[in-house]
Amino acid sequence: NAGVTQTPKFQVLKTGQSMTLQCAQDMNHEYMSWYRQDPGMGLRLIHYSVGAGITDQGEVPNGYNVSRSTTEDFPLRLLSAAPSQTSVYFCASSLGWGSGELFFGEGSRLTVL
Amino acid sequence: GIQVEQSPPDLILQEGANSTLRCNFSDSVNNLQWFHQNPWGQLINLFYIPSGTKQNGRLSATTVATERYSLLYISSSQTTDSGVYFCAVNQAGTALIFGKGTTLSVSS
Repeated sequence: NAGVTQTPKFQVLKTGQSMTLQCAQDMNHEYMSWYRQDPGMGLRLIHYSVGAGITDQGEVPNGYNVSRSTTEDFPLRLLSAAPSQTSVYFCASSLGWGSGELFFGEGSRLTVL
Repeated sequence: GIQVEQSPPDLILQEGANSTLRCNFSDSVNNLQWFHQNPWGQLINLFYIPSGTKQNGRLSATTVATERYSLLYISSSQTTDSGVYFCAVNQAGTALIFGKGTTLSVSS
């Protein structure tokens, strides 16, 4: 079991560029989510999914897009990167929605210039 | 929404000391977890503990759901215990909400 795998680990973008952060889990978890971590702000939820084909917004969804075509994958898309999106991004998954232990990927550090 | 407060915000210890970290939450919860974020940024699950007491080596945790708090105990601390400890809670059908964390520094 690889658990939750995120790629890339590091990325530098210019303002206005687009990119996709990949997330995959091999634990057959229904629930997947994306968090961002900023100094002094803790972890804040961007988007989440309770199963294939179902996504919803979290606390800070603006500027991000997600889709869930399979149980395993939950990519996060930045459509037009802004310096305010410089952050560390974590993907996480759990067996069920609002229940069960949440497992995190190793994080992706994104810098937008 | 539910509020999560952790204390103390910062803690400095000598190797071998014991410590207690606290997590207060403002409403009844379905789920409570403790995480350790190591100096390399990895978030590691410590305990899934919506109620009761659990132990794992030098670490143990207790959640008193009726009084809306959880405690994380670290005994005989080591330098590898350094990092940030997060408490996170949720209610049924909601996302996990994180506290701001306790930053622990253990020196030799």
